[in-house]
Amino acid sequence: GAVVSQHPSWVICKSGTSVKIECRSLDFQATTMFWYRQFPKQSLMLMATSNEGSKATYEQGVEKDKFLINHASLTLSTLTVTSAHPEDSSFYICSAQRGQGTYEQYFGPGTRLTVT
Amino acid sequence: QQQVKQSPQSLIVQKGGISIINCAYENTAFDYFPWYQQFPGKGPALLIAIRPDVSEKKEGRFTISFNKSAKQFSLHIMDSQPGDSATYFCAASPDTGGFKTIFGAGTRLFVKA
Repeated sequence: GAVVSQHPSWVICKSGTSVKIECRSLDFQATTMFWYRQFPKQSLMLMATSNEGSKATYEQGVEKDKFLINHASLTLSTLTVTSAHPEDSSFYICSAQRGQGTYEQYFGPGTRLTVT
Repeated sequence: QQQVKQSPQSLIVQKGGISIINCAYENTAFDYFPWYQQFPGKGPALLIAIRPDVSEKKEGRFTISFNKSAKQFSLHIMDSQPGDSATYFCAASPDTGGFKTIFGAGTRLFVKA
């Protein structure tokens, strides 16, 4: 158990367009999901914490108007990159926590975004 | 104080050898210390994790050694195999603040056949 999926696995979009990435917990309910960004050969950088039914909490330096996060249900969180630019090209990974007050995070397979 | 320092940056080990990756932290509020394995183009996968009330945890060929007084912990991979070649991240989570995870910089392990 504890499987997290992401869709799409890769996407190419033109500069100025918006892209939506979905993160789903397939076999458990996730009250909290996290969104990370990873540059090549670098570590994971936490972008925001998403709690079901409430506004996401963004890390310092992350533009909330650019990276829109919605956690509409206990199994789905979405990240929308608005007005994407080439510098937004990156590997975006979500993770989900099973239950409140737990440490374990289960990661999705990631989404490769390329903005041309 | 929120950093987790990981070393080495890269590591080459012969097949059958022991791979050792070290991490250090400052924040005493960290209460959970996982290790993740990541293959290229994939998301991280939880490998093994430890709480500070124990000094060692072993799961198969993977062992975490934890030194609370020194604020250090390490991952030992026994009998390293070419299939272990991946990037390994240590991490730490505090017992407050939503259980966010702070990741180390990562270690790229290559096991030579």
